[in-house]
Amino acid sequence: EPEVTQTPSHQVTQMGQEVILRCVPISNHLYFYWYRQILGQKVEFLVSFYNNEISEKSEIFDDQFSVERPDGSNFTLKIRSTKLEDSAMYFCASSERVGFNNEQFFGPGTRLTVL
Amino acid sequence: GNSVTQMEGPVTLSEEAFLTINCTYTATGYPSLFWYVQYPGEGLQLLLKATKADDKGSNKGFEATYRKETTSFHLEKGSVQVSDSAVYFCALSDSFSKLTFGTGTRLQVTL
Repeated sequence: EPEVTQTPSHQVTQMGQEVILRCVPISNHLYFYWYRQILGQKVEFLVSFYNNEISEKSEIFDDQFSVERPDGSNFTLKIRSTKLEDSAMYFCASSERVGFNNEQFFGPGTRLTVL
Repeated sequence: GNSVTQMEGPVTLSEEAFLTINCTYTATGYPSLFWYVQYPGEGLQLLLKATKADDKGSNKGFEATYRKETTSFHLEKGSVQVSDSAVYFCALSDSFSKLTFGTGTRLQVTL
C-alpha cells in the first residue's frame, strides 16, 4: 500500500541552525501539507502546497519557514534559523484532491529537537 | 476561529470494554469531521469521517455520529482489543485544505 515517508525520523540541531525536513508524498497525489505538534499540544496546520505554490498557510508559517518541491518526488520544509520553540513533531501529508471530503495521508513524522 | 476539544487521556481499558472518546468542536459553517488514529511509530491514519449533520462514520467497529445540535463527534467502540491501543485524534475541515485537530487521546487496552 502506498505511504508517505519522512526523513529523518529524529533531528537534533542547535538554535540558529537551518534544518530541512524531507517528505516523499504518495506518487499520484497533487496536494501536500505540513503540520506540527509541540509535545502535549494540538496538531497544528502549517502550510498547504499545490502546483508548486503555497495555497494556504497559518500564522505560524512565518518568514523563517519555506517549502519546496525540488523534484518530482520530494517535498521539503526548511526552517532557516531554528528557535527553541520550533521543537516539535512535524508531520507531512498528501492528498489526491482537495475539498471538504479530502482524505489526507500522513507520514510517521520527524521529531525536531532544538537545543 | 475553529477549534476541537478532546477528552484528556490516557484512557486505560480492559479488553472487550466499551470505549467512548469525547470530541466537541467550534466552527463557522458546516465542517466535515474526522477521527484519525496513530499507532506506535506510524503516521496518522484516517479512521472514519462524516460530512454532514446526523451522518454516522464507521470503520473497524468504531463509530461516530455528527451531532450538530451538540457540536459533538464522539468516538465509540463496543468491545476494544489490545490492538486498538493508539492515539486517537478528532479533527475538522471547513476549507479546501486545512485540518484542525484536537490534542489527541491515548488509549491503552490491557488483557
